[in-house]
Amino acid sequence: DAKTTQPTSMDCAEGRAANLPCNHSTISGNEYVYWYRQIHSQGPQYIIHGLKNNETNEMASLIITEDRKSSTLILPHATLRDTAVYYCIVANSGYALNFGKGTSLLVTP
Amino acid sequence: DAEITQSPRHKITETGRQVTLACHQTWNHNNMFWYRQDLGHGLRLIHYSYGVQDTNKGEVSDGYSVSRSNTEDLPLTLESAASSQTSVYFCASSDVREGPTGELFFGEGSRLTVL
Repeated sequence: DAKTTQPTSMDCAEGRAANLPCNHSTISGNEYVYWYRQIHSQGPQYIIHGLKNNETNEMASLIITEDRKSSTLILPHATLRDTAVYYCIVANSGYALNFGKGTSLLVTP
Repeated sequence: DAEITQSPRHKITETGRQVTLACHQTWNHNNMFWYRQDLGHGLRLIHYSYGVQDTNKGEVSDGYSVSRSNTEDLPLTLESAASSQTSVYFCASSDVREGPTGELFFGEGSRLTVL
C-alpha cells in the first residue's frame, strides 16, 4: 500500500472550516483514499473515502487532486466535538487498512 | 442493533501467561481485523481474516495468533504474554461484498496490561 504523510497536529477555531492535508505521492491507480477519526480512546470512526472524484457526505468533504498525489479532508464548520486524531489511509478496495499516526486536530472555542 | 463487542475490556496478566481477547460481531461481516494502539505508534495491524478458515498476518503479528471458525468471532491469542504486549487492542469488521466501502466498524477496545 502507498504511504501517507500527515502533519502531526493542527488547530482550528470553532465554527471555522478545518482543512486536513494528506500527501500520498506513491498512490497507485486502483487505491482508494480513506479517512477515519478517533475521538479520545474510542475506536476509530469512518468518515469518508474516494478514488478520483471529490466526495461529500454529512460529516465532511474529500478533495483529491487531479494527479491523486494528495488530498484534503474538510470539516466545513468544526465543533469542539471534532477534536480527534484524523487518519488518512490509502489502500486497495477490500484490503486491510494500515493506519499511521494521523493528525491530532484541536478545535478551540 | 447489530454490533461488535470485545471482552474483556480490561485485563491484567503476568508475563508468560496465555491470554485470549474475544471479538464478536453480529453484522455477519466477512472481514475481521485486530489492531493494537500504543503511544507514538498509532494503530498497527496484527492479524486479519477475510472469511471462515482464513487468517493473515499484519505488520506486528509476532507473538499473536488468531483463528476463524465462524463468521461472528475472531479471538486473538497471546501465547506467552510479554510486557511489550501491554497495549490497547481494537477489533474491527467490514463487509466489502457489495463494493469497496472500506468502512471498518470498530469495537470499544480492550486494555491489556502485562506485568
